[in-house]
Amino acid sequence: QQQVKQSPQSLIVQKGGISIINCAYENTAFDYFPWYQQFPGKGPALLIAIRPDVSEKKEGRFTISFNKSAKQFSLHIMDSQPGDSATYFCAASINNDMRFGAGTRLTVKP
Amino acid sequence: KAGVTQTPRYLIKTRGQQVTLSCSPISGHRSVSWYQQTPGQGLQFLFEYFSETQRNKGNFPGRFSGRQFSNSRSEMNVSTLELGDSALYLCASSPRLGNTQYFGPGTRLTVL
Repeated sequence: QQQVKQSPQSLIVQKGGISIINCAYENTAFDYFPWYQQFPGKGPALLIAIRPDVSEKKEGRFTISFNKSAKQFSLHIMDSQPGDSATYFCAASINNDMRFGAGTRLTVKP
Repeated sequence: KAGVTQTPRYLIKTRGQQVTLSCSPISGHRSVSWYQQTPGQGLQFLFEYFSETQRNKGNFPGRFSGRQFSNSRSEMNVSTLELGDSALYLCASSPRLGNTQYFGPGTRLTVL
């Protein structure tokens, strides 16, 4: 059972553009929603995270928007750079039982 | 602070063998979780240990097991290896339950 659905599967954006990745979850008990960035040959690295009592969180060029009633959250990468090219995973967890989305392969063209 | 370390980084085994993977969490972190990553299934939760006790378990067969030691280091074991067990096995640590998890670089297991 896929508890976190992520889209799109792949995304190509021009340098300077906005990258948007969307996730939807099913279990309303999830209480922590992180985004991870993974480069080839590396483990996922935490990018930004949000808890359901907040609707938006911004850290630098990265913003999470959270819609509790729709059970959806999204990652926005402003001014996308070639160095942002990586696979991004959304996740939802309860007490460290973390369920991941399928991942989005982002390519930022120079 | 040193990050999460995993050993070995690469491993090649044959079907039917067993394997043990090791994870050393960030100093002070008491929770260790294990994940399997494959191109087809993505990142899947295996199990999580906190203070030497398994707190959560994902939907994997009993061939997959783990343990945590008093120093928070953890091992996972896969017995009777199958071709489908070929994957990147990731370990993540966090200070306590419900907190941010930090991943190690993973162990790439290939089953021939």
